[in-house]
Amino acid sequence: EVQLVESGGGLVQPGGPLRLSCAASGFTFSNYAMSWVRQAPGKGLEWVSAISGSGGSTYYADSVKGRFTISRDNSKNTLYLQMNSLRAEDTAVYYCAKTSIPSPYSGYFDYWGQGTLVTVSS
Amino acid sequence: DIQMTQSPSALSASVGDRVTITCRASQSISIYLNWYQQKPGKAPKLLIYDASTLQSGVPSRFSGSGSGTDFTLTISSLQPEDFATYYCHQSYSSDTFGGGTKVEIK
Repeated sequence: EVQLVESGGGLVQPGGPLRLSCAASGFTFSNYAMSWVRQAPGKGLEWVSAISGSGGSTYYADSVKGRFTISRDNSKNTLYLQMNSLRAEDTAVYYCAKTSIPSPYSGYFDYWGQGTLVTVSS
Repeated sequence: DIQMTQSPSALSASVGDRVTITCRASQSISIYLNWYQQKPGKAPKLLIYDASTLQSGVPSRFSGSGSGTDFTLTISSLQPEDFATYYCHQSYSSDTFGGGTKVEIK
């Protein structure tokens, strides 16, 4: 059974850093791209970032480019999102999602974690 | 970036109704269009991928169609468990989601 479990969310001050983790199990982690998708309170879904199965390709939404870094440790079956220079508008539930193919492009999200809440506030 | 416009943003329907939700892309995305269902406090769930392929385990009352810029999600006979918010998602270029359609009980 595929499981994705996010952790690392919490309250952080504007301008501060936070690192999210997503522990994966139930599939061959390195064979699939992974993404982060967020949802601000009461709002719709926003794709944030994606990484290839090997970790060699990454890409980002314009809204987080230069501030967030996606990475993965295939030996630990874990996906990460390093978030720096956080802003109030980054407040959201962050979901990790498994992509259907090794490439971060042109796939679909077939499994999702339960999400972790990030609140950016002073 | 490719913009995805969903309509309507909300609708009221009764159990047994046929429901249609549309999604329009700002440029052609071939068939790289996926549909998700989300219930309050829960993660999204994949329903349809590549415009018209039903995800394993999803009831056959859900169907998708379209290509290029215009896509449709249809629920042939709405069931109580289908009241939720539905999102389209394009993965053709720099993934984006539609704004969502909330399906409420009439």
